[in-house]
Amino acid sequence: NAGVTQTPKFRVLKTGQSMTLLCAQDMNHEYMYWYRQDPGMGLRLIHYSVGEGTTAKGEVPDGYNVSRLKKQNFLLGLESAAPSQTSVYFCASSSFAERGMTGELFFGEGSRLTVL
Amino acid sequence: GNSVTQMEGPVTLSEEAFLTINCTYTATGYPSLFWYVQYPGEGLQLLLKATKADDKGSNKGFEATYRKETTSFHLEKGSVQVSDSAVYFCALGYYGQNFVFGPGTRLSVLP
Repeated sequence: NAGVTQTPKFRVLKTGQSMTLLCAQDMNHEYMYWYRQDPGMGLRLIHYSVGEGTTAKGEVPDGYNVSRLKKQNFLLGLESAAPSQTSVYFCASSSFAERGMTGELFFGEGSRLTVL
Repeated sequence: GNSVTQMEGPVTLSEEAFLTINCTYTATGYPSLFWYVQYPGEGLQLLLKATKADDKGSNKGFEATYRKETTSFHLEKGSVQVSDSAVYFCALGYYGQNFVFGPGTRLSVLP
């Protein structure tokens, strides 16, 4: 019953350091997403993937890179962390839904990142 | 483009009060509609969903009806509990992708 798992759950970085957030899903979903959540700004889409080996930019992609080498994993990288990237990051996945089906998003528990 | 608008929060109610959180959307075609709930310190969980006009989604005493004529999907509950305190997000999506979320409405229920 794992669903969507994110690691790590918490991380503190210094400005300029790099790190990778890992998202793993065990539901065989085609689509995977990375969002960030900031106070008063709701959810903002960073990058997404519609299948293994594919990635695309979302609403706020600058400063982040992603990779989807395996269908079940979606990695979010910060090459040179900045204080503006302090946020809670959520990974989500979904499956293609035929007409008449809803095709909802399944979320991970979140990763809280602080950049000093 | 597609968008979702929710009533501004925070909403503060007494236990057993009636709850309505308004949600309206702008979209082309026929999106599916969702309400997600986020409890403190947790990720978002699907609360209820509807796939076509006049569908009613329901779960844990919450209900919402897909109204295409008013492009709305208002969330209601007849009697809220302290445990319902959370942030509620209205969202739309197409065939399992292209999701758009509203800004969220924080609900606080006082005993």
